[in-house]
Amino acid sequence: DSGVTQTPKHLITATGQRVTLRCSPRSGDLSVYWYQQSLDQGLQFLIQYYNGEERAKGNILERFSAQQFPDLHSELNLSSLELGDSALYFCASSVGPTSSYEQYFGPGTRLTVT
Amino acid sequence: AQSVTQPDIHITVSEGASLELRCNYSYGATPYLFWYVQSPGQGLQLLLKYFSGDTLVQGIKGFEAEFKRSQSSFNLRKPSVHWSDAAEYFCAVGISGGYNKLIFGAGTRLAVHP
Repeated sequence: DSGVTQTPKHLITATGQRVTLRCSPRSGDLSVYWYQQSLDQGLQFLIQYYNGEERAKGNILERFSAQQFPDLHSELNLSSLELGDSALYFCASSVGPTSSYEQYFGPGTRLTVT
Repeated sequence: AQSVTQPDIHITVSEGASLELRCNYSYGATPYLFWYVQSPGQGLQLLLKYFSGDTLVQGIKGFEAEFKRSQSSFNLRKPSVHWSDAAEYFCAVGISGGYNKLIFGAGTRLAVHP
């Protein structure tokens, strides 16, 4: 158990809908990362927040957004969902803001868009 | 551009045999290097990391990896594989300097025969 929690574990929704994925980092970690894992793209970095502020952005679609709240939990919002958004979404956390700090991954949320 | 290559998509070994999983990276500066393992339906667990110093690093579960700058490689090894090691293994390079993220290889799926 990494100490990173993600909810829900599974999510099934229809195209065009909007969903919110939630992540609670390990106690003491200030940085939260979101990754998408799909069969065709592999593991892709989406976005990072550090202590409430956006720190780095990867290949995140405009339909996707995220935020980190004062209690440091983070939410990833996916809207206008398409079939291709079906994937496993991971949250990771680390103590510091740079990649020199180890990232600990949550169990993931499996999103299925039908 | 930064990239990570894991040349072997699938590897099958017999229980008790030695294991080496290959990883090559492309990055202009000294990289932060990681190996993660993902068991079916699970999140990613950090096996080991290299930041600097001794090029042979020890990790959990009896794994080790060797950083070879001249070959841009960071191969993962284990002297004797256990059936419970069957999983997918990901090599990653940490990018910093404004892009604080991990870039992952495509993964190597390890099967262990009894």
